[in-house]
Amino acid sequence: SQTIHQWPATLVQPVGSPLSLECTVEGTSNPNLYWYRQAAGRGLQLLFYSVGIGQISSEVPQNLSASRPQDRQFILSSKKLLLSDSGFYLCAWNGQGAPGNTIYFGEGSWLTVV
Amino acid sequence: GQQLNQSPQSMFIQEGEDVSMNCTSSSIFNTWLWYKQDPGEGPVLLIALYKAGELTSNGRLTAQFGITRKDSFLNISASIPSDVGIYFCVPHRGAGNQFYFGTGTSLTVIP
Repeated sequence: SQTIHQWPATLVQPVGSPLSLECTVEGTSNPNLYWYRQAAGRGLQLLFYSVGIGQISSEVPQNLSASRPQDRQFILSSKKLLLSDSGFYLCAWNGQGAPGNTIYFGEGSWLTVV
Repeated sequence: GQQLNQSPQSMFIQEGEDVSMNCTSSSIFNTWLWYKQDPGEGPVLLIALYKAGELTSNGRLTAQFGITRKDSFLNISASIPSDVGIYFCVPHRGAGNQFYFGTGTSLTVIP
């Protein structure tokens, strides 16, 4: 079976500091990978998605970037965090092993920028 | 771009009541997904719909893919406290890689 994990689970960072959130998927190969952000406990905003190693599509211009150094690894980064970057960040995958057009989420990472 | 409207935004109901929520769009889709998000966790897939007119149940949950392919409905019967959470609709065209979520319906069940 497939599993997805992301870490750290919670993070408190000062404004201007860097960020790195990591996500890995097990039990599948060549998955599509996604980063979402959820502010104020409501809608999920698609930030980035990747269909393969080194292939990143950005949905919205912002202070964040994503990288996919390995097939099942997806990293969300920032060089200098802003207060507005606070939120709940979710990694997700779909592809082989995910029935139909469905996506599956990790546990989420809470980021508070202070 | 596509317009996706999910309603209601929030619901406060008594335990045992039935719940109904829906999503409408200006675009046609081939798939409608419904997710539930418990507080502090990632969304979990409840029901996937792949055909216009399809009616699918998962326990007390029933979802339908609208005939026009522009809408979908989710019903919860005999609500219980653990139904609390945010429910999202996610339409998909069946091609392309992006999954866009509705704005969510926040459900509170009062015991």
